[in-house]
Amino acid sequence: DGGITQSPKYLFRKEGQNVTLSCEQNLNHDAMYWYRQDPGQGLRLIYYSQIVNDFQKGDIAEGYSVSREKKESFPLTVTSAQKNPTAFYLCASSNRVSYNEQFFGPGTRLTVL
Amino acid sequence: QKEVEQDPGPLSVPEGAIVSLNCTYSNSAFQYFMWYRQYSRKGPELLMYTYSSGNKEDGRFTAQVDKSSKYISLFIRDSQPSDSATYLCAMSALDTGRRALTFGSGTRLQVQP
Repeated sequence: DGGITQSPKYLFRKEGQNVTLSCEQNLNHDAMYWYRQDPGQGLRLIYYSQIVNDFQKGDIAEGYSVSREKKESFPLTVTSAQKNPTAFYLCASSNRVSYNEQFFGPGTRLTVL
Repeated sequence: QKEVEQDPGPLSVPEGAIVSLNCTYSNSAFQYFMWYRQYSRKGPELLMYTYSSGNKEDGRFTAQVDKSSKYISLFIRDSQPSDSATYLCAMSALDTGRRALTFGSGTRLQVQP
């Protein structure tokens, strides 16, 4: 089955620790995205990548980092510099041309203890 | 002021009712309009995708765009309990180099059996 997988589903982190969220897709999509979802605020874009070895900051990139070494993978690192990291993180992918049709993974819920 | 406004609800309707979900926006450059459905603790899934003004129908779902009023709607006919979810509108402009969507905060819909 083609799709997007995110792991882990739930993640707990102590303050001051970096943590990496995994996102893998087998849809052969060029573009991948990371969003953050907080209650009552919808989805906000953290980073996106249109092609391997290239990525751009979104609206709320501070305290996050990404890499795109493979087409299938777009991991997100939440660093200790992120002031309020507790949230639901969603990864998405799309065809590079039809970027409006984004397909989402199941999400990772990160809780900072 | 947010670029995209959406009433958070919850909107509670009886089974079989016609549901109307709406978003307003401020950016006149938006040309592409999407509706996503998100079940609790899951990733969003694309329901409808329209370009510019007009209507689009798919089964029980109709998407309507009024660019002159900066107002979009999603109608659900013969609503079912399985339609209970959060509905997110999303928008984007013609290719500006920023290949990403702007989301509303979502409306929670409850269809009572």
